[in-house]
Amino acid sequence: NAGVMQNPRHLVRRRGQEARLRCSPMKGHSHVYWYRQLPEEGLKFMVYLQKENIIDESGMPKERFSAEFPKEGPSILRIQQVVRGDSAAYFCASSPVSHYEQYFGPGTRLTVT
Amino acid sequence: DAKTTQPPSMDCAEGRAANLPCNHSTISGNEYVYWYRQIHSQGPQYIIHGLKNNETNEMASLIITEDRKSSTLILPHATLRDTAVYYCIVRGPSGSARQLTFGSGTQLTVLP
Repeated sequence: NAGVMQNPRHLVRRRGQEARLRCSPMKGHSHVYWYRQLPEEGLKFMVYLQKENIIDESGMPKERFSAEFPKEGPSILRIQQVVRGDSAAYFCASSPVSHYEQYFGPGTRLTVT
Repeated sequence: DAKTTQPPSMDCAEGRAANLPCNHSTISGNEYVYWYRQIHSQGPQYIIHGLKNNETNEMASLIITEDRKSSTLILPHATLRDTAVYYCIVRGPSGSARQLTFGSGTQLTVLP
């Protein structure tokens, strides 16, 4: 049973470009969470999605960031016009039901040059 | 969700039990205690969770005090691969906030 998959594992973008991070949840999991970990800091919640719905985006920056979890395909975290401060590790987690334990992917390390 | 307090770091000799404490004095009656760990910038790994009773699985044991104000995660025979940051998280049941709130955790170093 494959775990949570994230790609790419490493992503380098220049300032002003767009970054797209993908997350495929575990089989049978319809709840996806995105977290960000800035260098030398703890993990911070960004957004919680169910299939085709954003349930909670209270941790998402108001501008440039968006997330989706379409009916078919992976969840996407999109960062437009990236800045150096966006450099971080972005982790995705999934669960079968919202209040169950969450299983994390290996993360995408975004570097903005 | 209740706030948790953990020591910033601990050492443990390889092969010995590692006992990681967590204080959660403001925990509510329906909130669970979860433990995760993060090994050197990898994705966090779920370890165990409990409500009132002590719990055990293939990875660890969780001991929750009777008043539920504190808990201890026990790794019975620590190995070098258990070196990681361990996070104690208190989380509400269904219907409350779904996200995990990570604090600073405890850096456990297992020494050879």
